[in-house]
Amino acid sequence: DQQVKQNSPSLSVQEGRISILNCDYTNSMFDYFLWYKKYPAEGPTFLISISSIKDKNEDGRFTVFLNKSAKHLSLHIVPSQPGDSAVYFCAASAFNTDKLIFGTGTRLQVFP
Amino acid sequence: DTAVSQTPKYLVTQMGNDKSIKCEQNLGHDTMYWYKQDSKKFLKIMFSYNNKELIINETVPNRFSPKSPDKAHLNLHINSLELGDSAVYFCASSHISGGSYEQYFGPGTRLTVT
Repeated sequence: DQQVKQNSPSLSVQEGRISILNCDYTNSMFDYFLWYKKYPAEGPTFLISISSIKDKNEDGRFTVFLNKSAKHLSLHIVPSQPGDSAVYFCAASAFNTDKLIFGTGTRLQVFP
Repeated sequence: DTAVSQTPKYLVTQMGNDKSIKCEQNLGHDTMYWYKQDSKKFLKIMFSYNNKELIINETVPNRFSPKSPDKAHLNLHINSLELGDSAVYFCASSHISGGSYEQYFGPGTRLTVT
């Protein structure tokens, strides 16, 4: 049973526009959420995180939104750049555990 | 400076062999992990160690044995390799404080069992 789901396996966006990546979760015990970016043949790189006490966290071009009632989070990238082309993983952890549960990833392609 | 490093990057071996993957982190973190990314690209935790103590041990065959000689190193030893063990294995580390759980990953080791 997959507790963290990324239903869009891929997304294609034009450079300069907004990229929105979505993630849904089922476990109400999750209280910390993270986004990772992964290039081919490299390990995942931490991007941004959000605690369940917040509904928004911003870091430069990246913003994560959390909707606890819908058990949904999203990552917004504005403006999108070709270097953002990668696979993005959503991950979640429950209170007092360091076990990350990952989604299956969304491949983002930013074209000129 | 590489924060989390793994060796080797690629490992090709035959069924039945025993192999090890090494991981080192220079971030001063107290917790280290092993993840497996299978052919469907699903990233799943296998083990975690905190200060050399096993914390998480997911449903992993006991052919897999992690070993942590000190808190900067976490090695993964695999006995009697099987075809299904072919995957990319990632090491990660984190410093658990204040409720934040960012984990930092190594570059991965692609294991191919023939």
